[in-house]
Parts: sequence; C-alpha cells; structure tokens
Amino acid sequence: AAGVIQSPRHLIKEKRETATLKCYPIPRHDTVYWYQQGPGQDPQFLISFYEKMQSDKGSIPDRFSAQQFSDYHSELNMSSLELGDSALYFCASSLGSRGTNEKLFFGSGTQLSVL
Amino acid sequence: GQQVMQIPQYQHVQEGEDFTTYCNSSTTLSNIQWYKQRPGGHPVFLIQLVKSGEVKKQKRLTFQFGEAKKNSSLHITATQTTDVGTYFCAGGGATNKLIFGTGTLLAVQP
Repeated sequence: AAGVIQSPRHLIKEKRETATLKCYPIPRHDTVYWYQQGPGQDPQFLISFYEKMQSDKGSIPDRFSAQQFSDYHSELNMSSLELGDSALYFCASSLGSRGTNEKLFFGSGTQLSVL
Repeated sequence: GQQVMQIPQYQHVQEGEDFTTYCNSSTTLSNIQWYKQRPGGHPVFLIQLVKSGEVKKQKRLTFQFGEAKKNSSLHITATQTTDVGTYFCAGGGATNKLIFGTGTLLAVQP
C-alpha cells in the first residue's frame, strides 16, 4: 500500500539559509499535518491543512510557512534557519473532515541539520 | 495551551514483565490516540479511544480512556523485545490539531 512520502530524507543547511521540505500524502487523504521532533522529544505540532486550506496552527515560527497544493501534496518552507531548527520533521496524512481527529499515517521524516 | 504529560519518561523491564504508561491531559479530550515509535522510525498508529471509560484490547496491549476523558493508560502484558520503542499518547479536541504526549521509552531486556 502507498505510504506518506517525504523528501528529502536528509538535509544539511547553513545558518540563515532556506529549506523546503516536501510531503506527498497517501492517495485520497485530504488532511496533511507537519510535526517537528527534536532528539528524545515528542512530536510538536506545527500546522495542518484540510482540503488545501490551513485548518490548524501550532508552534510554527513566523520564519516558516507551509501550503497544500491542488494535488494535495504539501511543502514546508523554512527561512533564516537557526541552529535550533535542527530536528526531524514529520509529515502525516489522514482521511477525514475538518474539526475531527482521524488516525495519522506518518512519513519517514526529513532530518534537517543546520550547521 | 493544552498539555499532555506521560509518566514514566523511561521504563526498563525484563522480558516477560508487565509495563504501563499513563497519560494526562490538562484539558478534556474528544478522543485519545496511541502511537508507537521504534528507535529511528516514525510514529505508527496503534488505537483510538473516543468514549468515556472505554477499554480496548489488542493482543497483549490494553488501552483505557478515563471517565473524565482527561487521562488514559496503556498496559502491556508479558513484554517482548519487539515491544521496545517510545509510546506516545496524543490528545484530540474539536480541531484537526493532535497534541502528542511527552512519551514513554520502553526498554526490554531479554
């Protein structure tokens, strides 16, 4: 069965650079979530989209932005990178409606290292 | 904001021993989900509980949702080495936001 695809798997950037993370949800899934997980930490909710519209916002810095495109894939854009942005970034998708919690299917994540 | 805490942070057991992790939310939840994350892996959905006082079983795993819908527990009977990983509860409300708990890392010694 198709899973959530994230790219790239690993990304190394310098401070103040920009990065773009991509997520391709499971086909027919209409909701995408982004989470940030530091070493030994729990996943922190960043933002979610339902039917290409932002549905919820969490602890996403103003330097970050995200969107969901017409084909339901999503991109997380990160600018002015800081050392503290180094983390594992997960995308997850679900099939549901706005305002509900359906089970999440996670991608394998993008490991971002900021040097 | 909403916080979801789990205890213990870490548990080391001998294979065959039981294990329990507890999850507490600062707010009432509409539902609670449990995920397992193996070392180096991604969270994998285990179960969702919706009703107050609900109990669900999956083989050696028993999940419970508190009467007030603010706490939950996961109990594993007779742990095996394949149970190793971090167990997260995740609380949901009337939004698409799912807040993960702090997690419990389970180590199982053969």
